[in-house]
Amino acid sequence: RKEVEQDPGPFNVPEGATVAFNCTYSNSASQSFFWYRQDCRKEPKLLMSVYSSGNEDGRFTAQLNRASQYISLLIRDSKLSDSATYLCVVNARNAGGTSYGKLTFGQGTILTVHP
Amino acid sequence: DAGVIQSPRHEVTEMGQEVTLRCKPISGHDYLFWYRQTMMRGLELLIYFNNNVPIDDSGMPEDRFSAKMPNASFSTLKIQPSEPRDSAVYFCASTLAAVRHEKLFFGSGTQLSVL
Repeated sequence: RKEVEQDPGPFNVPEGATVAFNCTYSNSASQSFFWYRQDCRKEPKLLMSVYSSGNEDGRFTAQLNRASQYISLLIRDSKLSDSATYLCVVNARNAGGTSYGKLTFGQGTILTVHP
Repeated sequence: DAGVIQSPRHEVTEMGQEVTLRCKPISGHDYLFWYRQTMMRGLELLIYFNNNVPIDDSGMPEDRFSAKMPNASFSTLKIQPSEPRDSAVYFCASTLAAVRHEKLFFGSGTQLSVL
């Protein structure tokens, strides 16, 4: 089983639509969670961190369910510029808990927003 | 800030040749990561350094791969000898341990093609 699993899509939605992506992770010791965005032929960039209480950044809402080991990203009022690959990212700190463990990336979910 | 700088942007080589990829992290960052991205496997962590010391190289696929960080401002990833299956985009990323949510800053990547 992969450490981080995402539905690869692709998701094709019209402008203005609401779209949701899901992600599951296997390591219950995971401590930090993120969504990264990657445009075609570009490097990944941090979109937002995911907090236990859920958090919102404009049209983007991220949710975390530790019990189910599940993360989600909701995009409201989709724009053409939202077209990209969305990567679910998980960090499990090492046993000592003092240093930053490696980030594990999901395969990514491809989103295409059309006019 | 110039960001993470990688060179070359593109590398085309023949099987059996030595390939060296270079990375300059953001000044002051104390963590450096090498990732490889392919369509089949997504983003895979190869190795990461903390204060120039390799911490986890479990992702390095074979002995043909080696990475060094001789100082805080420079790292190399070497493949010798290269094989066609090494063709991928190689990303270098850096971050600062003090950053609360471990935001990674990626370079633009090196597109490697081994013929």
